[in-house]
Amino acid sequence: EPEVTQTPSHQVTQMGQEVILRCVPISNHLYFYWYRQILGQKVEFLVSFYNNEISEKSEIFDDQFSVERPDGSNFTLKIRSTKLEDSAMYFCASSMRTGNNEQFFGPGTRLTVL
Amino acid sequence: AQSVTQLDSQVPVFEEAPVELRCNYSSSVSVYLFWYVQYPNQGLQLLLKYLSGSTLVKGINGFEAEFNKSQTSFHLRKPSVHISDTAEYFCAVRTKAAGNKLTFGGGTRVLVKP
Repeated sequence: EPEVTQTPSHQVTQMGQEVILRCVPISNHLYFYWYRQILGQKVEFLVSFYNNEISEKSEIFDDQFSVERPDGSNFTLKIRSTKLEDSAMYFCASSMRTGNNEQFFGPGTRLTVL
Repeated sequence: AQSVTQLDSQVPVFEEAPVELRCNYSSSVSVYLFWYVQYPNQGLQLLLKYLSGSTLVKGINGFEAEFNKSQTSFHLRKPSVHISDTAEYFCAVRTKAAGNKLTFGGGTRVLVKP
């Protein structure tokens, strides 16, 4: 069964460093998403991406964040200068279509900023 | 803006006993409703969804949920749980109006005891 994969499973970085979180969505999906979950808090929407551009983003997704689909398979989230409060589990998701279509989630990347 | 409240953060339950996980939502527009499950070290997996039609929705692994528009609730039930149902369960909504983002509740951790 096709699935969303994410690498690495755990990333540790120093405050101020850039990190890139990688995701491989399901191959025939067209819509891609990033969510995050700070420990003990709700899963929060960050951004959605379609047709090589951002279609929606939350207030969390400020200038420190960017997303890219560098090739036909990967979808990345970059945090330019990490802060302590960026420590969280980051989930990638993809869906075939919009509307009521199911979003399939990856296992997450745990980001720890020291 | 929409919001989701899961009233119980943890629910301990004995094996073969029934379980109900409560979810209430708030939205000014019509919504789609979802329940996701997260097993340890895995991503979010869709259990079931309500899009329209019958208010009783059946999902995978013997779970079902009932949409109650007047009470703005979407409670999840299983008549007899197994040890393997130990996981965290998330209720989520998405508006029908526009956009794809899911808004999640805080999650309910279910611990099934033998």
